[in-house]
Amino acid sequence: SQKIEQNSEALNIQEGKTATLTCNYTNYSPAYLQWYRQDPGRGPVFLLLIRENEKEKRKERLKVTFDTTLKQSLFHITASQPADSATYLCALVAAGNKLTFGGGTRVLVKP
Amino acid sequence: DGGITQSPKYLFRKEGQNVTLSCEQNLNHDAMYWYRQDPGQGLRLIYYSQIVNDFQKGDIAEGYSVSREKKESFPLTVTSAQKNPTAFYLCASSIEGATGDTQYFGPGTRLTVL
Repeated sequence: SQKIEQNSEALNIQEGKTATLTCNYTNYSPAYLQWYRQDPGRGPVFLLLIRENEKEKRKERLKVTFDTTLKQSLFHITASQPADSATYLCALVAAGNKLTFGGGTRVLVKP
Repeated sequence: DGGITQSPKYLFRKEGQNVTLSCEQNLNHDAMYWYRQDPGQGLRLIYYSQIVNDFQKGDIAEGYSVSREKKESFPLTVTSAQKNPTAFYLCASSIEGATGDTQYFGPGTRLTVL
C-alpha cells in the first residue's frame, strides 16, 4: 500500500542549530513533493516545491532535497529560531494535483 | 490564510444533524478542495473541484457532500451518515488544479459532535 511517513515524535532543537526532518514514501512515483508549515489551529502554508528531476531546492534558511532512489525527502531549517516552531508537513503530488500528506513532524526550537 | 475564508471557526453539532461548512475564496482560483485533519494525522482529501459545477470524490467522501455552483464558493455538508465527524476541516484552493500547483489553505473549521 502507499505510505508517506514523517517522524511523529517532536523534534526539539536549540536555537541556532539546524533542524532536519525526514519524509519517506513507498509505492509512489511522485512528480513533485511539497513542504508546508502548519501552526496550531491554523491552515498549512506552502513553503517549497521540488520536482522529481531536482536534487535540491533552497529558500532563505530552508533547504529541501529529493532522492527518488531512496524515496526520501529531507527538509532542513538552518540557523533555527523559536519562530520556526511549528508542524511541518510533506505532501506528494502524483496524479493530477491531488496532494497526499504525511502526518507531519512538530519542531520546537528552544531559545 | 490568503484569500480563503472559512466559517465558522468552531462548530458544535448534535448527533444526527447535518451541518454545512462554508468556504469562500477571492483568489480567482479554479480548483478547490476539502480536507479533514485528525489529531496527529495528516490531511485527508474529502472532495475536490477543478471547475464550476463539477467535483470528484477524494479518499474519504462517505458521509459528506459538496456543491460548486459558483467559482468562489465550495460548501461542505457533513451529513448524519458520517460516523465520526469530529475533526478539523480545511478548505484549500489552487490556480488551475494542475499538477504541482501550490494549494492555499483557509484557517479551518473545528467541528465537534456533542
